Amino acid sequence: GAGVSQSPSNKVTEKGKDVELRCDPISGHTALYWYRQRLGQGLEFLIYFQGNSAPDKSGLPSDRFSAERTGESVSTLTIQRTQQEDSAVYLCASSRGDAGTQYFGPGTRLTVL
Amino acid sequence: SQQGEEDPQALSIQEGENATMNCSYKTSINNLQWYRQNSGRGLVHLILIRSNEREKHSGRLRVTLDTSKKSSSLLITASRAADTASYFCATDFQGAQKLVFGQGTRLTINP
Repeated sequence: GAGVSQSPSNKVTEKGKDVELRCDPISGHTALYWYRQRLGQGLEFLIYFQGNSAPDKSGLPSDRFSAERTGESVSTLTIQRTQQEDSAVYLCASSRGDAGTQYFGPGTRLTVL
Repeated sequence: SQQGEEDPQALSIQEGENATMNCSYKTSINNLQWYRQNSGRGLVHLILIRSNEREKHSGRLRVTLDTSKKSSSLLITASRAADTASYFCATDFQGAQKLVFGQGTRLTINP
């Protein structure tokens, strides 16, 4: 089937505004991950959902960041009161949940002016 | 930090040559994976090697794993211009399902 999709592909916002980023995982994948990648850097883990278990939020950098996932489907990453330091590519990935291969979406490039 | 670290940070070689990238990590792992990223967007999975494996091949890719040294290497043979990308290693963190990525190696293949 289709791969992981993310929307929007690009988002430009003003400092202080809230943004929502969406991820549609591969159907049947129980695990979903959000990462942040600043320019020229590696991936920073943000949050991980696995089935109906409590999400692992250990990577969220501040309480301005939150994420939700409905069942084993769509996830939304919300950043409140955006700061310029939030500018990055936000990547979503899904997997079968067996600690194996993660399948990545194309990412959302967020620019905070 | 439990991140893996790739070495070198950047590598530039001529087309047809072999490219070797290394990854070191800090904790015990169940598996180690290598991913490729083009143009700073989505990552593509290349190969997974389990902790009880020492070497794995996939086409022009060869991955080795030395758990005693907590290190892995990715070898790309007979490189092509299309191999130009950033390459990341990723390990599962203390057996959990989330992956910890290194900073990546930027590989440039010159025609």
